[in-house]
Amino acid sequence: DARVTQTPRHKVTEMGQEVTMRCQPILGHNTVFWYRQTMMQGLELLAYFRNRAPLDDSGMPKDRFSAEMPDATLATLKIQPSEPRDSAVYFCASDLGQGGTDTQYFGPGTRLTVL
Amino acid sequence: KQEVTQIPAALSVPEGENLVLNCSFTDSAIYNLQWFRQDPGKGLTSLLLIQSSQREQTSGRLNASLDKSSGRSTLYIAASQPGDSATYLCAVRFIQTGANSKLTFGKGITLSVRP
Repeated sequence: DARVTQTPRHKVTEMGQEVTMRCQPILGHNTVFWYRQTMMQGLELLAYFRNRAPLDDSGMPKDRFSAEMPDATLATLKIQPSEPRDSAVYFCASDLGQGGTDTQYFGPGTRLTVL
Repeated sequence: KQEVTQIPAALSVPEGENLVLNCSFTDSAIYNLQWFRQDPGKGLTSLLLIQSSQREQTSGRLNASLDKSSGRSTLYIAASQPGDSATYLCAVRFIQTGANSKLTFGKGITLSVRP
């Protein structure tokens, strides 16, 4: 049963600390997405990659957020320094990169609380 | 700007009722539309994906329809059960944002099915 996995599932940290979230996409999927979900804003796309190259990171605050794919099996989202307004659930998703016929598969999310 | 709207934000129905969840989108030029389910504290699970050329898709008690010209989709749930209680999100892949690109999400409808 192929799944997107994310670690950690929960993270509580203090303002100013660095936070790193990790995602393992489904094997064979070449497109990876990072989303943020809050009650106020709903689900927002932060960035996404195709074949490990960033395609769009316009949804991401550039001064503190960074996203990378060190290899095809690992995507990372880093926040440095973290702020209370970053508290949210961060989801990773992946798909086959086939455009109109694709289904995106979501991980369970990382619930981040910044105090 | 392409937007996806889901109204109402919450819905409560008695068990056994047939119900319809609505989704509207601002641009009829789409590749596909997807309905997701999200349980509390969990990630999103894809329920149905409707291609631009299709009018509807069915899976078990679920039926999703698509009317591009009016910018609407509905998710029909037959004989609702308490286990159907969850948040249902509609997501659209707009043509203008590119075939191999992001989904635009509505904010979801939180459904509660009362025993």
